[in-house]
Amino acid sequence: QKEVEQNSGPLSVPEGAIASLNCTYSDRGSQSFFWYRQYSGKSPELIMSIYSNGDKEDGRFTAQLNKASQYVSLLIRDSQPSDSATYLCAVSDTFGNEKLTFGTGTRLTIIP
Amino acid sequence: GAVVSQHPSWVICKSGTSVKIECRSLDFQATTMFWYRQFPKQSLMLMATSNEGSKATYEQGVEKDKFLINHASLTLSTLTVTSAHPEDSSFYICSSLAGGPNGDNEQFFGPGTRLTVL
Repeated sequence: QKEVEQNSGPLSVPEGAIASLNCTYSDRGSQSFFWYRQYSGKSPELIMSIYSNGDKEDGRFTAQLNKASQYVSLLIRDSQPSDSATYLCAVSDTFGNEKLTFGTGTRLTIIP
Repeated sequence: GAVVSQHPSWVICKSGTSVKIECRSLDFQATTMFWYRQFPKQSLMLMATSNEGSKATYEQGVEKDKFLINHASLTLSTLTVTSAHPEDSSFYICSSLAGGPNGDNEQFFGPGTRLTVL
């Protein structure tokens, strides 16, 4: 049974600060890792994808992957109130976005 | 990015009735679509993978006779919840694979259908 674990939160971060979201996964053969943002009552939207160890930056978002530790994280710099949402970590055992296993999500609240 | 639509966006039905949910890819052809279910405060659980022109592949524990999937064209997949019961009340979301802005294959999600069974 493949598992993806996240701290459910809620995580509260002051506006302008860095929000740090963490995720661990059980399947050592996992190849692709994704962070999705889901607003309440809406469907998920892709924020970041990462496939190799290290950091990947896109604007205010940085994904970090450590396959040896089976750990992936998402940093959000200069947090904005619009970043308040549930962030879902998803993992795939293929090099692509197919058949995803999702974590339960971390609820993030940015405090103005 | 690619656009996926779902219809209806919400539906309320009586216990024992069947409900059909449509998932359409609006600006691309979708050989593969995925159907997920999300209960309140829980994550997305993959129910089945829908393949155009062939039978769907169901995840373990999902009753294929209860959740009927038809993918008759490259732009439409349907999920029918047969003999729905209150425990089937959930948020049903479809997705499809398409090329993302960075060149990777990306899952584009539909807006979801909220099903309430009375």
